[in-house]
Amino acid sequence: DMKVTQMPRYLIKRMGENVLLECGQDMSHETMYWYRQDPGLGLQLIYISYDVDSNSEGDIPKGYRVSRKKREHFSLILDSAKTNQTSVYFCASSFRLGGGQDTQYFGPGTRLLVL
Amino acid sequence: GEQVEQRPPHLSVREGDSAFITCTYTDPNSYYFFWYKQEPGASLQLLMKVFSSTEINEGQGFTVLLNKKDKRLSLNLTAAHPGDSAAYFCAVSEGDSNYQLIWGSGTKLIIKP
Repeated sequence: DMKVTQMPRYLIKRMGENVLLECGQDMSHETMYWYRQDPGLGLQLIYISYDVDSNSEGDIPKGYRVSRKKREHFSLILDSAKTNQTSVYFCASSFRLGGGQDTQYFGPGTRLLVL
Repeated sequence: GEQVEQRPPHLSVREGDSAFITCTYTDPNSYYFFWYKQEPGASLQLLMKVFSSTEINEGQGFTVLLNKKDKRLSLNLTAAHPGDSAAYFCAVSEGDSNYQLIWGSGTKLIIKP
């Protein structure tokens, strides 16, 4: 059963604290993604990872960094969280089939509240 | 680069009626298209992946139309039922340049009894 997992599912942090969001997948997908989704809005790509230690900025990377040391695991780090980083964060993964046909599989999301 | 516009942002239809959601894109070379469904409080689930060579794609309770001339991708939910209440997102692939999808802004669909 193909699965993308995210931990934690809910998180409350104070402004200035560090935040670690974790994502795992059991499908041996090469490519992994981090998105954020604000209320009533679509998805915004934060970072994309093509494989271990091969990461690229997405559309809104400022204030975030990522780590991918194993193919099945992708972390999103917020150093000194800000209130405007309150959002729902989704991780996704895909096989690299090429030609743009890669289907992204999403995790359940992490709801982050920064006070 | 590619831009995707999705309309309408909100849609309310009666149970049993049809619901129609449209995305227009700008890059004529785009050739993979996706529809995702997001139920309230849940994650995104793939509804259908469409290849540019297929203009009409039938799913269970819905049809996806691709008009390459007008650069328009449409989702038609036929005989909507309460389980169709969700947000729907289209996404367009830019090809194999960077494996990113360009996402529409979403449509929140409500099915009224």
